[in-house]
Amino acid sequence: DQQVKQNSPSLSVQEGRISILNCDYTNSMFDYFLWYKKYPAEGPTFLISISSIKDKNEDGRFTVFLNKSAKHLSLHIVPSQPGDSAVYFCAASPSGNTPLVFGKGTRLSVIA
Amino acid sequence: GAGVSQSPSNKVTEKGKDVELRCDPISGHTALYWYRQSLGQGLEFLIYFQGNSAPDKSGLPSDRFSAERTGGSVSTLTIQRTQQEDSAVYLCASSIQGLDYGYTFGSGTRLTVV
Repeated sequence: DQQVKQNSPSLSVQEGRISILNCDYTNSMFDYFLWYKKYPAEGPTFLISISSIKDKNEDGRFTVFLNKSAKHLSLHIVPSQPGDSAVYFCAASPSGNTPLVFGKGTRLSVIA
Repeated sequence: GAGVSQSPSNKVTEKGKDVELRCDPISGHTALYWYRQSLGQGLEFLIYFQGNSAPDKSGLPSDRFSAERTGGSVSTLTIQRTQQEDSAVYLCASSIQGLDYGYTFGSGTRLTVV
C-alpha cells in the first residue's frame, strides 16, 4: 500500500516555463514533507521541505505548496532550466524521528 | 568527510553468495538510514539507526538482511544468500535530529545478483 504517490512517472517542460510536480499521500499522520532531486548514478539531494503548519514554502526558483485537506502537495519550479532535468522524489514523515516514506519519483525533462 | 561515503559503488555477485555494503556517514550525524531502489521503484526503507537506541528494522525484507552500526558511525548492510530480486541500488543516508535539512544520501551501491 503506497502511502506517498507520484502518479506522473514523467514530465516534459520547455526551458523558461513552469514545472509542476505533484504528490498525494494517504497517511493523515504525516507532518513533514520533503522533495528530493536525483541525477543518474548519484544519491538523492534534498531540495526543499514544508511542515504541516504551513501551506507554502519558497526557496529561490522552487516553491512547495501543501493542501492538507486534499492530502496533496506540489513542487513548482520557475523558470525551469535544463539543469533541472532529474528524477524528483516526494517524501513524508509523521515526525523527525520516523524514517521518510518516499514516492516512486517523477522524471522531469526540461527541453532547451 | 564532507559527505556520506558508500562502498563499493558497484558489486556483481553470484546468486547464493553473501555481500557486505559499507556506509560512512557524515561526522556528527546521529541518525543513519538504509534504503534501496529497485528498477522502476521508489526508495524502499530498510533500517534506521538513531544514536544508541535499538535500530528500527521494520523495513528489512527478510531475515537474510541485517545491518550493524559500530561506534555510532560506520554501518554495514549484509545480505546473506543473495537472490536475483536483491538486485537494486542500496542507498545510505545520515541526518542530524529533525527534518529541517532532510537526509544527506550517499551515491549508493549498485548490487547485481547474477
